[in-house]
Amino acid sequence: EAGVTQSPTHLIKTRGQQATLRCSPISGHTSVYWYQQALGLGLQFLLWYDEGEERNRGNFPPRFSGRQFPNYSSELNVNALELEDSALYLCASSLLGASGDTQYFGPGTRLTVL
Amino acid sequence: SQELEQSPQSLIVQEGKNLTINCTSSKTLYGLYWYKQKYGEGLIFLMMLQKGGEEKSHEKITAKLDEKKQQSSLHITASQPSHAGIYLCGADSSGGDADGLTFGKGTHLIIQP
Repeated sequence: EAGVTQSPTHLIKTRGQQATLRCSPISGHTSVYWYQQALGLGLQFLLWYDEGEERNRGNFPPRFSGRQFPNYSSELNVNALELEDSALYLCASSLLGASGDTQYFGPGTRLTVL
Repeated sequence: SQELEQSPQSLIVQEGKNLTINCTSSKTLYGLYWYKQKYGEGLIFLMMLQKGGEEKSHEKITAKLDEKKQQSSLHITASQPSHAGIYLCGADSSGGDADGLTFGKGTHLIIQP
């Protein structure tokens, strides 16, 4: 069974541009989560999508947004990129989106903002 | 908001030795997850603990949850080079819907041959 997949592996953008990151969950999983892992800040929760709806977001500005498609894959968009947006972005999926439901992570997309 | 403190921050252990990593929460734990990460890569799920006193093992790794102390420990027996990496504890503090997990800053484990 395929795990969570993310694309692209690496992304290089310049300040002010927009970045789009993609995630495909494990087959059968309906919940998708996005996390940011920036140097020195640890892993921080960004967004949670379930059944096509945004269910919760972490403490990030509105220029971080996304969506979930009918096939449960998801897209993270980061507008007006800033240097501090450089980080590893991790996507995770879970079966039900319920407390106690294990989140399985993808390999991540390394975003570099120049 | 919930905070998770991991200790130690880094650990250098000789191959074959045992080691323990701790994770302490500032709030009630509804679920505690342990993950392993190779630098710059995704997280590999190790195990999840939900009930106070629960203990789970997988191969040479054992995790325990002390609900009263709001603390979990991860113990590795007879460490091997394959155990090297960053160990992260994550917690679900919502008690209901699966909001995003809160993570500790990680413990960097180096295994010396």
